[in-house]
Amino acid sequence: SQQGEEDPQALSIQEGENATMNCSYKTSINNLQWYRQNSGRGLVHLILIRSNEREKHSGRLRVTLDTSKKSSSLLITASRAADTASYFCATDGGGGNKLTFGTGTQLKVEL
Amino acid sequence: DTAVSQTPKYLVTQMGNDKSIKCEQNLGHDTMYWYKQDSKKFLKIMFSYNNKELIINETVPNRFSPKSPDKAHLNLHINSLELGDSAVYFCASSSNQLVNYGYTFGSGTRLTVV
Repeated sequence: SQQGEEDPQALSIQEGENATMNCSYKTSINNLQWYRQNSGRGLVHLILIRSNEREKHSGRLRVTLDTSKKSSSLLITASRAADTASYFCATDGGGGNKLTFGTGTQLKVEL
Repeated sequence: DTAVSQTPKYLVTQMGNDKSIKCEQNLGHDTMYWYKQDSKKFLKIMFSYNNKELIINETVPNRFSPKSPDKAHLNLHINSLELGDSAVYFCASSSNQLVNYGYTFGSGTRLTVV
């Protein structure tokens, strides 16, 4: 299966702290994407990093990509209670026709 | 304005029934998808259509039949529903030209088969 794995499966932190989630995948890719899913809602695209990029920033989000290790990390700085959600990485498997999602990290940010 | 809208949001039905879920996108995207999310939150692609043509058909029972009347709509019909079909089904769309924007997902249809 191409499905990636994320770790940790669950993460609980205090507001203001940083949250780091990791994603590992199995095949070659053109790009890797991160999505957020609030409880009972659809997925929302956060950020995309191409296979020739090593790091990308968007607001409080920082994504790294190591294609030699087939891994990526998502860092959320200065977390807020509103960041509480599940976070998924997704890869295009090099073909671009479909995204394969990881197993997700459930983040809880407490006040 | 809802970009990707699915109906119904909730669907409770008995085993053996046939049901449909509808999806529409107003983003002008070329490609639409159906994903299934199980109780452990695993997301698995089922089908993908590009400009009304089926391009991805994962290992899905043939009780599931997608239909795309035009590139803005992708419906999912399920025959002879089984308990194991209970899940949340997500429709999504993407643009071939705007790859950096990723997929846009609908809010999901929670299907419960009893």
